[in-house]
Amino acid sequence: KNQVEQSPQSLIILEGKNCTLQCNYTVSPFSNLRWYKQDTGRGPVSLTIMTFSENTKSNGRYTATLDADTKQSSLHITASQLSDSASYICVVTGGGSQGNLIFGKGTKLSVKP
Amino acid sequence: DGGITQSPKYLFRKEGQNVTLSCEQNLNHDAMYWYRQDPGQGLRLIYYSQIVNDFQKGDIAEGYSVSREKKESFPLTVTSAQKNPTAFYLCASSKGAHSYEQYFGPGTRLTVT
Repeated sequence: KNQVEQSPQSLIILEGKNCTLQCNYTVSPFSNLRWYKQDTGRGPVSLTIMTFSENTKSNGRYTATLDADTKQSSLHITASQLSDSASYICVVTGGGSQGNLIFGKGTKLSVKP
Repeated sequence: DGGITQSPKYLFRKEGQNVTLSCEQNLNHDAMYWYRQDPGQGLRLIYYSQIVNDFQKGDIAEGYSVSREKKESFPLTVTSAQKNPTAFYLCASSKGAHSYEQYFGPGTRLTVT
């Protein structure tokens, strides 16, 4: 069964600290993996998108990694800010012409002053 | 939120009434999608459309209907047949099929009592 599992479910860190969010998937075939940031009550906003051949992709203080062999991805946030408080969603696209998106349940990050 | 608008932001209805959620995009995207988001769950696909006058059921289409008469517009009707309509509804669009990056609207929170 195609699944995307994210951990931890929630995380609290102090402003200025780094953190890493995890995403494990069992989707096959694999097309790409995306990380989205969703503020409370808003729509998700794309942070990164990686294909099979990409290992790392950065977007400012956000760095995503992908290990296609172990089917794992991580999102590392450097020098966290209060505005980083949000849910982070991992999404894996299956292959094929009708490739479907499998959404993780998200990790809720709270950055405290 | 890009060039996608959803209205209204909050919507309240009595049980047994049909209600239509609006989604408009000015990104010239061919594909549009409707998702439902419930607390603690990943986004679930309701309907999607890859071209005008054509649309396909997603994973949870029962109790919902859509139309795609214009490229820019993809309204979703929540019918009285939907057993648990209270949720956060997200509309998205992409340049092409599922493998392209999806841009999300701000969402509509529907409450049915």
